[in-house]
Amino acid sequence: DGGITQSPKYLFRKEGQNVTLSCEQNLNHDAMYWYRQDPGQGLRLIYYSQIVNDFQKGDIAEGYSVSREKKESFPLTVTSAQKNPTAFYLCASSPGTGKSNTEAFFGQGTRLTVV
Amino acid sequence: SQKIEQNSEALNIQEGKTATLTCNYTNYSPAYLQWYRQDPGRGPVFLLLIRENEKEKRKERLKVTFDTTLKQSLFHITASQPADSATYLCALDFTGGGNKLTFGTGTQLKVEL
Repeated sequence: DGGITQSPKYLFRKEGQNVTLSCEQNLNHDAMYWYRQDPGQGLRLIYYSQIVNDFQKGDIAEGYSVSREKKESFPLTVTSAQKNPTAFYLCASSPGTGKSNTEAFFGQGTRLTVV
Repeated sequence: SQKIEQNSEALNIQEGKTATLTCNYTNYSPAYLQWYRQDPGRGPVFLLLIRENEKEKRKERLKVTFDTTLKQSLFHITASQPADSATYLCALDFTGGGNKLTFGTGTQLKVEL
């Protein structure tokens, strides 16, 4: 089945620890994204990547880091510098810039809780 | 910066009626506007996309309109069913094809028997 897979579904982190959220897609999409969702708020863009080995900061990149070494993978690291990391994290992919079909495909999300 | 407004209050309607959800935005008009459905604890699922030069788009029981003068999109679900109960998000792409989507906060729809 083609799709986008996030893991784990639930993640608990102690304060001061870095954690990495996994995102893999087999849709052959060029573009990948990370969003954060908090209760009562929309999705906010953390980082996005339009091509392998390149990525850009979104609206709330502070305290996060990403890499895009492979087309199918876009892991997100939540660092200890992120002051309020408890949230629902969503990864998405889309065909990419200039492609006619521009819908985004989302994973099922990772719920991160700081304990 | 771009601002997207969706009604934060839940919309409760009776089964069989038409649900109408609103998405308003500020500043300049986007190249695309999309609507997604999100169920609790899950990722959003794409429903419809409408381009700035299109006034209306339909898909089965769904209809989307896009008024760039009013800076507004309306999302209609006709003959609504309890299974339509979910949160509906509008998303705007202001980059003209780069897929840097900006999302609204979503409106929760509840369809009652």
